[in-house]
Amino acid sequence: NAGVTQTPKFQVLKTGQSMTLQCAQDMNHNSMYWYRQDPGMGLRLIYYSASEGTTDKGEVPNGYNVSRLNKREFSLRLESAAPSQTSVYFCASSEALQWRPQHFGDGTRLSIL
Amino acid sequence: GQQLNQSPQSMFIQEGEDVSMNCTSSSIFNTWLWYKQDPGEGPVLLIALYKAGELTSNGRLTAQFGITRKDSFLNISASIPSDVGIYFCAGSAAGGTSYGKLTFGQGTILTVHP
Repeated sequence: NAGVTQTPKFQVLKTGQSMTLQCAQDMNHNSMYWYRQDPGMGLRLIYYSASEGTTDKGEVPNGYNVSRLNKREFSLRLESAAPSQTSVYFCASSEALQWRPQHFGDGTRLSIL
Repeated sequence: GQQLNQSPQSMFIQEGEDVSMNCTSSSIFNTWLWYKQDPGEGPVLLIALYKAGELTSNGRLTAQFGITRKDSFLNISASIPSDVGIYFCAGSAAGGTSYGKLTFGQGTILTVHP
């Protein structure tokens, strides 16, 4: 049982390039999330999808877009990458938005030069 | 927005010692979660708490949901080298625009010396 799978695991971009981070879960969860993790700041919510067909902004959405492709997949897109977006990105899923703990993927380490 | 203060930021202990860490919130939470993150991996859920005053154990780990609903504690007894990692608290608010979404603490980095 894979749980939450993120691709790629590592990526280096140049400023201004675009990129899509992929996430898929096989736990039949309704809700999915994208976080970024920076040193000393814990995890911060970028966007989330409470259920298939809905997406909402989190704490730090600027510079990002998301697509909930189907119940399994939730992608994060950087349209014009900036050095400030260098971070580790985590996708997570949960049975529902409330009351249910989130399960995380292993992250995508993104460097923007 | 929500604020979670987790302390201590780091701990250096000897194998066999007990560990305590805590989180406090500026708002009332209806869910507290504790995660552990190993290097190069995503956070893994350790304990979930859903009720004020709740005390839950998972092996050598014990966590409590504070009765004020604004704090939570995690204790690790008889630490071992594999306890090394970053421990995060996370909470979900009881209402408002943050309802259902997790806010994370800054993490506690635990080092265990054999």
